[in-house]
Amino acid sequence: AQKITQTQPGMFVQEKEAVTLDCTYDTSDPSYGLFWYKQPSSGEMIFLIYQGSYDQQNATEGRYSLNFQKARKSANLVISASQLGDSAMYFCAMREGSNYQLIWGAGTKLIIKP
Amino acid sequence: DTGVSQDPRHKITKRGQNVTFRCDPISEHNRLYWYRQTLGQGPEFLTYFQNEAQLEKSRLLSDRFSAERPKGSFSTLEIQRTEQGDSAMYLCASSFIFGGNGYTFGSGTRLTVV
Repeated sequence: AQKITQTQPGMFVQEKEAVTLDCTYDTSDPSYGLFWYKQPSSGEMIFLIYQGSYDQQNATEGRYSLNFQKARKSANLVISASQLGDSAMYFCAMREGSNYQLIWGAGTKLIIKP
Repeated sequence: DTGVSQDPRHKITKRGQNVTFRCDPISEHNRLYWYRQTLGQGPEFLTYFQNEAQLEKSRLLSDRFSAERPKGSFSTLEIQRTEQGDSAMYLCASSFIFGGNGYTFGSGTRLTVV
């Protein structure tokens, strides 16, 4: 079974609009962490935001926020006021317990239209 | 420190040849990871080091693959007798052992086996 599911292969969004990228996860470990990374065409994975399973509040980092719904096992990324430079692949990833490796979704290709 | 550096950025090789990639992590980071990313997919874990010790290898890492991290600094990933299925982006990341939740990735080495 897929541990990380990103159901949107691609999205087109008008510049300055907000966008939500979906991520659902599957784990039986009560301790886990969820990450979002951005991968532009240059290939580098850029860390955006992190949410721990025990964190009481949803994580925010500038224009990025994470809509964490624990009961539904979802961790959607919200980008406010999208910019042309936001066009990239976006990956959701999970680390379970004290495990060191990240488990990744297949990604969502986001294209911002001017 | 300028982040995680990977060399080369691109490598084209003929099937059957050996290739070696290098990763220079952030100097303060104790852990170093290698991931492989095929086109249209999220990264897959290959192996990781804590200081100079290689603590885990994925089943994806066949006998043709070997990784080293002498003196706990830079790391090399060698692929012997390359096959077309080895064509992928090879990503290196580093992190602290304790504290923080960020993994810093390099820009990757894109391998094409012809």
